[in-house]
Amino acid sequence: ILNVEQSPQSLHVQEGDSTNFTCSFPSSNFYALHWYRWETAKSPEALFVMTLNGDEKKKGRISATLNTKEGYSYLYIKGSQPEDSATYLCAFKAGNNRKLIWGLGTSLAVNP
Amino acid sequence: DAMVIQNPRYQVTQFGKPVTLSCSQTLNHNVMYWYQQKSSQAPKLLFHYYDKDFNNEADTPDNFQSRRPNTSFCFLDIRSPGLGDAAMYLCATSPRVGFNEKLFFGSGTQLSVL
Repeated sequence: ILNVEQSPQSLHVQEGDSTNFTCSFPSSNFYALHWYRWETAKSPEALFVMTLNGDEKKKGRISATLNTKEGYSYLYIKGSQPEDSATYLCAFKAGNNRKLIWGLGTSLAVNP
Repeated sequence: DAMVIQNPRYQVTQFGKPVTLSCSQTLNHNVMYWYQQKSSQAPKLLFHYYDKDFNNEADTPDNFQSRRPNTSFCFLDIRSPGLGDAAMYLCATSPRVGFNEKLFFGSGTQLSVL
């Protein structure tokens, strides 16, 4: 059974703090790792799709790293802002399966 | 802006009363997905269409059906909703089914079953 775990489940930080959270996935048969941001009452939005071990991607203050050999990805937010408050979901795709396996998400609240 | 639109945002139905959720897209994507997300659970893929080809997940109950009359529209029909079907239903699209294809989501329909 393929399992994707995200930690922490929820996080409260102050505006300006930098933060990071983890997505763990099976290290065998890796195909791709997706990160999405889901703000309340809005559509989930793709942040990154990562495919290569050692990949690092950046979008503004948000960046992500990927380690396929040990089966984890980190998402970093530098200088958190209230508008970063959202649930951050990761999803794993194995090589032998077309569908994404989703984590439960990390709920981030940034206090002004 | 090109987008994925789901209607309605909130849907209330009665136990056993058929309900249809709709999704439309202006992205001209080949693939459309329906996900179910229950509270405190991960999104669960129900089925997807690659163009007109319907792909049902093995564990999707027969109570759930889907129609895709054209590229732009896709419907989720729940024939006899039970209390356990109350959930957020998300529609998503992608250009094709590939390892690096990100999904484009609608904002979801929150279904309540009374």
